[in-house]
Amino acid sequence: NAGVTQTPKFQVLKTGQSMTLQCAQDMNHEYMSWYRQDPGMGLRLIHYSVGAGITDQGEVPNGYNVSRSTTEDFPLRLLSAAPSQTSVYFCASRQRDSYEQYFGPGTRLTVT
Amino acid sequence: AQKVTQAQTEISVVEKEDVTLDCVYETRDTTYYLFWYKQPPSGELVFLIRRNSFDEQNEISGRYSWNFQKSTSSFNFTITASQVVDSAVYFCALKDSNYQLIWGAGTKLIIKP
Repeated sequence: NAGVTQTPKFQVLKTGQSMTLQCAQDMNHEYMSWYRQDPGMGLRLIHYSVGAGITDQGEVPNGYNVSRSTTEDFPLRLLSAAPSQTSVYFCASRQRDSYEQYFGPGTRLTVT
Repeated sequence: AQKVTQAQTEISVVEKEDVTLDCVYETRDTTYYLFWYKQPPSGELVFLIRRNSFDEQNEISGRYSWNFQKSTSSFNFTITASQVVDSAVYFCALKDSNYQLIWGAGTKLIIKP
């Protein structure tokens, strides 16, 4: 049982490049979320999903896309990277009736 | 609007001292949940506690204790006899009506040997 896994752990992009941050969970959790963590600001919700085929926007969705084709996977796509997207990205999952979220180890992204 | 305020940006104490981390929240919901998470230097987020709005009993778990007071909209976290391994960033969070967490900015706790 690996829990929530994220790849890559570190990534450096140039402005304008696109990439996908991977997130997978093996706990059969219905809810999955993507957060970004910036210094002094706590975590902010980017996008979330309440089940396969269903996604919705969080607090800071601009510049990011998500899809949820399976229960296990919830990739986050950066369409055209900007320096403002330099951050640490966390993926989380939880069961429908639980409020305890399980977090992945994070992806540290730098956009130059 | 839902909001969580952790006014203490950074706290530094000497090992074995007691330390309290403050959390003040705002919500219009009558039913809500509050959480504390720990983020050690390694970066992962570790769940510590969940408290619902109907349960104002204080909670104690080893050296950790939590004081929930609805009258002051506070959910403070105390570490007794602090240890160097307690050094981390601690986040308080509030569950909103969409079942997502609203996070405070975090308090960085430094425990000096």
